[in-house]
Amino acid sequence: QSALTQPASVSGSPGQSITISCTGTSSDVGSYNLVSWYQQHPGKAPKLMIYEGSKRPSGVSNRFSGSKSGNTASLTISGLQAEDEADYYCCSYAGSSPVFGGGTKLTVL
Amino acid sequence: QVQLVQSGSELKKPGASVKVSCKASGYTFTSYAMNWVRQAPGQGLEWMGWINTNTGNPTYAQGFTGRFVFSLDTSVSTAYLQISSLKAEDTAVYYCARDYDSSGYYLLPWGQGTLVTVSS
Repeated sequence: QSALTQPASVSGSPGQSITISCTGTSSDVGSYNLVSWYQQHPGKAPKLMIYEGSKRPSGVSNRFSGSKSGNTASLTISGLQAEDEADYYCCSYAGSSPVFGGGTKLTVL
Repeated sequence: QVQLVQSGSELKKPGASVKVSCKASGYTFTSYAMNWVRQAPGQGLEWMGWINTNTGNPTYAQGFTGRFVFSLDTSVSTAYLQISSLKAEDTAVYYCARDYDSSGYYLLPWGQGTLVTVSS
């Protein structure tokens, strides 16, 4: 399967909101409400931030939210903080296998 | 707390084999499947497959058949990834990651990663 399409980079200032898009097809993002988002700081393991499109695991800040429209899922981070600077990966399912997006580097200015 | 601890970095020559371990703690090992994910230097995440920790049955993603083997030792709550006939392009960080819930669609927690470097 092809990787999901994410912008290579996004940036924002502290306190602002940013949105990262994740575009797939009708065979993955568009077919299932199974999109997840992972945050990865440099040299660290990824961490699940959003699952089932919009749910947050325990302990994840409510500044993180997810949504979907058609074949595109989105991750929105409100009230940007310096600690949010990281790589973000979306993930969806195509059949029985997960496929990741190429990743988006978030820079907090 | 739920935790996955992986074995340390490895430096191997082309053609050699490597076995990465992933020791689980804080939960019943056989209650959740274990996944493996590869991240090449400077690249994104690539799902390699998963292993049913109840039955030991592995499922490999496309591109990870033949040289890659998932295994378990349930007596010590540990999953293993073995890669044989190593190539330079196998150089990557390898992560184990537990299923977050019974749906099997999400990964949490993750191990800290094991860097495997293949170089002559």
